[in-house]
Amino acid sequence: GAGVSQSPSNKVTEKGKDVELRCDPISGHTALYWYRQRLGQGLEFLIYFQGNSAPDKSGLPSDRFSAERTGESVSTLTIQRTQQEDSAVYLCASSHGTGNPYEQYFGPGTRLTVT
Amino acid sequence: AQSVTQLDSQVPVFEEAPVELRCNYSSSVSVYLFWYVQYPNQGLQLLLKYLSGSTLVKGINGFEAEFNKSQTSFHLRKPSVHISDTAEYFCAVKEEGAQKLVFGQGTRLTINP
Repeated sequence: GAGVSQSPSNKVTEKGKDVELRCDPISGHTALYWYRQRLGQGLEFLIYFQGNSAPDKSGLPSDRFSAERTGESVSTLTIQRTQQEDSAVYLCASSHGTGNPYEQYFGPGTRLTVT
Repeated sequence: AQSVTQLDSQVPVFEEAPVELRCNYSSSVSVYLFWYVQYPNQGLQLLLKYLSGSTLVKGINGFEAEFNKSQTSFHLRKPSVHISDTAEYFCAVKEEGAQKLVFGQGTRLTINP
């Protein structure tokens, strides 16, 4: 079946502009995660959604970052007033649920470049 | 605080040689452990995971890893590597009760002919 998809695959934006990144999870997966991967570094957790529960936003680096998810479908990550340090690959993952450590399936990522 | 350390940022090896990629973690609670691989221009793919039971776990592509609780390590090994194993490898930890994965900084494995 289809995996996690993300769009766009690449995004170049000017400093100060807002950007919106999209993630389509695997159908039936109730949990959705956003991570950020800066050049030469590991992945940093940003935010987690589980069904209709309140999201875990503990990883968001500033109030310029926000994310939404409606039910168990698409999620969008929005970065307002982008800065050069926001340049990174933004990865989305989904999994069956919580409790047991269900495997997280990752999308191909969106490479964001802020000029 | 939970953290993951991959001791080698780059590991060059010759084809058909054995390789070990090191991973150490710190946590005050029980953990689940994972190794992910990221091939050039591709997304992350799960290689193997330790949840419970036998401390030696086998994954895809001939990789295996051993969980050592006393040393808080989860090193990845392969007895004979191939050119196709060239990739970035990430160790990740998930604390019991938590949802997020905490990743190491990655190890770039380069296979030379």
